[in-house]
Amino acid sequence: GAGVSQTPSNKVTEKGKYVELRCDPISGHTALYWYRQSLGQGPEFLIYFQGTGAADDSGLPNDRFFAVRPEGSVSTLKIQRTERGDSAVYLCASSLSAGGASPYEQYFGPGTRLTVT
Amino acid sequence: TQLLEQSPQFLSIQEGENLTVYCNSSSVFSSLQWYRQEPGEGPVLLVTVVTGGEVKKLKRLTFQFGDARKDSSLHITAAQPGDTGLYLCAGARTGRRALTFGSGTRLQVQP
Repeated sequence: GAGVSQTPSNKVTEKGKYVELRCDPISGHTALYWYRQSLGQGPEFLIYFQGTGAADDSGLPNDRFFAVRPEGSVSTLKIQRTERGDSAVYLCASSLSAGGASPYEQYFGPGTRLTVT
Repeated sequence: TQLLEQSPQFLSIQEGENLTVYCNSSSVFSSLQWYRQEPGEGPVLLVTVVTGGEVKKLKRLTFQFGDARKDSSLHITAAQPGDTGLYLCAGARTGRRALTFGSGTRLQVQP
């Protein structure tokens, strides 16, 4: 089946603008995660959804960042009043909720490269 | 503060050589995953280890989880140019689903 997909693949925006990044998880995966990866670093956790609800949003850097998953499938990461420091690759991952030999295995999409000018 | 320290950060070796990448922490993880990432792509899961002392093999790759579940290693035998990439370890703390990643080891295998 299809893997995790993310759109757009690249987004260039001006400082102060609003952006939305979309993630379509693997079919049947009820858990969805957002991470951010800066150049030369490993991914950094932002938020995790179990179904429609945000189960852990402790990684969101400030209130300019918000994410939704209204129907428990596709998720949108929203960034208000973008700053140059928000420039990074935003990665989405999904996993099964529970059960199986390794319930926490997360499968990543290709990412959205956000550049704030 | 990096919760997971990876070493070395960079490694350039010749085809056929062996290498080991280390992932260390002072924290205990309920599971640890290794990923490989190519430029412009997301990380691809290689293996998950969950039991202290566990050893898993994937062709020429051998993964080990430390007895105390605080560290892990990845050993590659007879490296090939196709092994080139960024290797990332990531751990899940007990009770949390979020992964904490190391900063990665960038491997270059010269033909």
